[in-house]
Amino acid sequence: QVQLVQSGAEVKKPGASVKVSCKTSGYTFTDYYMHWVRQAPGQGLEWMGWINPNSGVTNYAEKFQGRVTLTRDTSISTAYMELNRLRSDDTSVYYCAREPKYNWNYGEFDYWGQGTLVTVSS
Amino acid sequence: QSALTQPASVSGSPGQSITISCSGTSSDVGGYNYVSWYQQHPGKAPKLMIYGVSKRPSGVSNRFSGSKSGNTASLTISGLQAEDEADYYCSSYTSYSTVVFGGGTKLTVL
Repeated sequence: QVQLVQSGAEVKKPGASVKVSCKTSGYTFTDYYMHWVRQAPGQGLEWMGWINPNSGVTNYAEKFQGRVTLTRDTSISTAYMELNRLRSDDTSVYYCAREPKYNWNYGEFDYWGQGTLVTVSS
Repeated sequence: QSALTQPASVSGSPGQSITISCSGTSSDVGGYNYVSWYQQHPGKAPKLMIYGVSKRPSGVSNRFSGSKSGNTASLTISGLQAEDEADYYCSSYTSYSTVVFGGGTKLTVL
């Protein structure tokens, strides 16, 4: 069965960086685009970007351009989201989410990770 | 890219039907048939309920249906049940090869 298992909660100081992992299993990692979505406490969902796990090509929301980097390690079927220059308003649950079809990239997410809480506080 | 517009809250009694709207632009909702709807219960990850405007993933009740007219998409839930109480989010593919979400709608089953 398809599983997306994310790394554990993080506490960071303002200005630091955080790297969240999303380890996948149950399918061919390189066949399905992966997206990252975040949700601040009590707020809505916010799309951050996608990565083509096969080619490594990425695309980011304008809001995060220059501050977020999506990468992958195909040898261990894992995707990563790194966010730099953290601010207090980056405190959120960060999710990885997978597209439902082979080589499909239209923002339809059938499987989600369990979420990783990143807290930014001095 | 501005967020899609959803009502903050809707409510209905068990057995009734409700509709949640999701308004965008010709660069997202109106331009593509890639509108999705997600249900999220407190403390849980979102769950895909509708994709491709009106398609239901396997296992999702046929009480959930989606449609689109122009730049506005809609999610209708018929025969409301207590377990439908949750937050609902729409999303759309955009002309920039990005994704935009709506602000979310809290559904209360009275």
